Amino acid sequence: AQSVTQLGSHVSVSEGALVLLRCNYSSSVPPYLFWYVQYPNQGLQLLLKYTSAATLVKGINGFEAEFKKSETSFHLTKPSAHMSDAAEYFCAVSDHDDKIIFGKGTRLHILP
Amino acid sequence: EAGVTQSPTHLIKTRGQQVTLRCSPISGHTSVYWYQQALGLGLQFLLWYDEGEERNRGNFPPRFSGRQFPNYSSELNVNALELEDSALYLCASSFRGNTIYFGEGSWLTVV
Repeated sequence: AQSVTQLGSHVSVSEGALVLLRCNYSSSVPPYLFWYVQYPNQGLQLLLKYTSAATLVKGINGFEAEFKKSETSFHLTKPSAHMSDAAEYFCAVSDHDDKIIFGKGTRLHILP
Repeated sequence: EAGVTQSPTHLIKTRGQQVTLRCSPISGHTSVYWYQQALGLGLQFLLWYDEGEERNRGNFPPRFSGRQFPNYSSELNVNALELEDSALYLCASSFRGNTIYFGEGSWLTVV
């Protein structure tokens, strides 16, 4: 069965600094991997997804994630944080035909 | 094109009551997923329906149930409500296991 671990329930970065949110997964088959973002009092919005094409995936709002099979990781990065990036971020894994499993989420705080 | 729509957006129920939440998927999507997002517990998978059938179920008691209708819309029913059922209930839809898209959720408060 697949699972997802997000390291750090809260991450704080200064405006303009690098954002790095960590995600490790386990899956018995080559997975689909996703990052979703949830702004306060809203549903989840897809940021980006990996489906076994390019290992570096570019998403919306300047975010990208790199699939590293050897490390079973799919960390999310953004070169320069903006105040509007403050939200909760969820990593998710799917083995294509089954349900999508989410990590517990990481709340990103942006410091002025 | 309309996204996933859920109703009601907010509701308050008393412990022991029953509640029904509704979800309309994106047009053309045949799968509907239900998740519970309780404070401090992250997103917990509840149910997955595809083509009218229940395909998978999370680790929730039987008082959580649902169904999917021929038009692919779905209901989530929770019987004998308990205080810890207070949460945001998110519905999502997809087509054949591809990317799932979420609705805005239904906020349930049990008092």
